[in-house]
Amino acid sequence: RKEVEQDPGPFNVPEGATVAFNCTYSNSASQSFFWYRQDCRKEPKLLMSVYSSGNEDGRFTAQLNRASQYISLLIRDSKLSDSATYLCVAYSSASKIIFGSGTRLSIRP
Amino acid sequence: NAGVTQTPKFQVLKTGQSMTLQCAQDMNHNSMYWYRQDPGMGLRLIYYSASEGTTDKGEVPNGYNVSRLNKREFSLRLESAAPSQTSVYFCASIANTGELFFGEGSRLTVL
Repeated sequence: RKEVEQDPGPFNVPEGATVAFNCTYSNSASQSFFWYRQDCRKEPKLLMSVYSSGNEDGRFTAQLNRASQYISLLIRDSKLSDSATYLCVAYSSASKIIFGSGTRLSIRP
Repeated sequence: NAGVTQTPKFQVLKTGQSMTLQCAQDMNHNSMYWYRQDPGMGLRLIYYSASEGTTDKGEVPNGYNVSRLNKREFSLRLESAAPSQTSVYFCASIANTGELFFGEGSRLTVL
């Protein structure tokens, strides 16, 4: 079993829709969590950190559920430019930063 | 504002050849990383360096060596390339916030 698991998708949704991804992690020692965005053939870039209390950045909302060991990302009012792969990351230590395989999102006009 | 710079961006090797991927960061970060990314596998850690002069193995170190030349530079060497090392390689450094900054990637094909 992978330490960080994501539904690979692809999620294909119309512009303006709300879409949610989940990510589960198996290492209960994981301390910090992040969502990264990766465009095709580009490097990953930080989208947002995930806090226990949940956090919002514009149209994006991230939640952490430590009891169930999953994190989520909600995108509201999706834009064509949101099409990308979203990577879930669990951080236990400087040497233990585990990436999920990513969820592909495609927004159609 | 360069961030993390990797070279080369593309490379084709024959089985058994050697090469070094170069990486440099200008953000004064202590820790640096080398990842490989394969379809459906996500990013897997090859080696990391917590600080200048130290290196440690990650999840998939076999067939690779690294050098942390100074605080800025962290190179990855393939001594005898194999087709299984065909991949996209990313160098990264980490800020105190936990954010990873990646280079643009090096696409390596081993024939």
